[in-house]
Amino acid sequence: DIQMTQSPSTLSASVGDRVTITCRASQSISNWLAWYQQKPGKAPKLLIYDASSLESGVPSRFSGSGSGTEFTLTISSLQPDDFATYYCQQSNSYPTFGQGTKVEIK
Amino acid sequence: EVQLVQSGAEVKKPGESLKISCKGSGYSFTSYWIGWVRQMPGKGLEWMGIIYPGDSDTRYSPSFQGQVTISADKSISTAYLQWSRLKASDTAMYYCARLGATVVTPWDYWGQGTLVTVSS
Repeated sequence: DIQMTQSPSTLSASVGDRVTITCRASQSISNWLAWYQQKPGKAPKLLIYDASSLESGVPSRFSGSGSGTEFTLTISSLQPDDFATYYCQQSNSYPTFGQGTKVEIK
Repeated sequence: EVQLVQSGAEVKKPGESLKISCKGSGYSFTSYWIGWVRQMPGKGLEWMGIIYPGDSDTRYSPSFQGQVTISADKSISTAYLQWSRLKASDTAMYYCARLGATVVTPWDYWGQGTLVTVSS
């Protein structure tokens, strides 16, 4: 399986901050990378697919970039609704998830 | 409206069998892959396997191969995840989700989750 490594595991930030989460693949996955947001007790929600395409209905403050083995999710101005855990997922081969990044209030 | 509705929470004893379900609606069930994900208490998402209901093509994560069985009944637009002998370590939330027409597509719609508790 392709391994996905996210960093950091936890991130403390304030409303209005610019936040960046990194995801690294153990081998090249082209742009087959998605990002999900999960809130406690809820199912994950798709935010970004194909590394940089914004899912319909997702606020434009979310953006994704990267290709090959290194990818980033950026929240341009953190909002109260954004405190959650974020996962990357590759689908180049059988899908695997990163271990998650919890964004918490500073 | 695309919806995936999962069966309700289950409490089982070790060694018992279990089959949970995921019913799709609002789209062509046979044209999209369905995936299953495990989330143990306080932990991250683990991909378990995927199935294409159109022809029942099924792929398993190496971590779950032989531990669970994924199936689908296209006549009632329902996918299943089953265990023949549960263990305490199977205690987790299980989610189904819809992929696209190929396995490289993102998981765009998710069920609400089924909590499975295995305890003696």
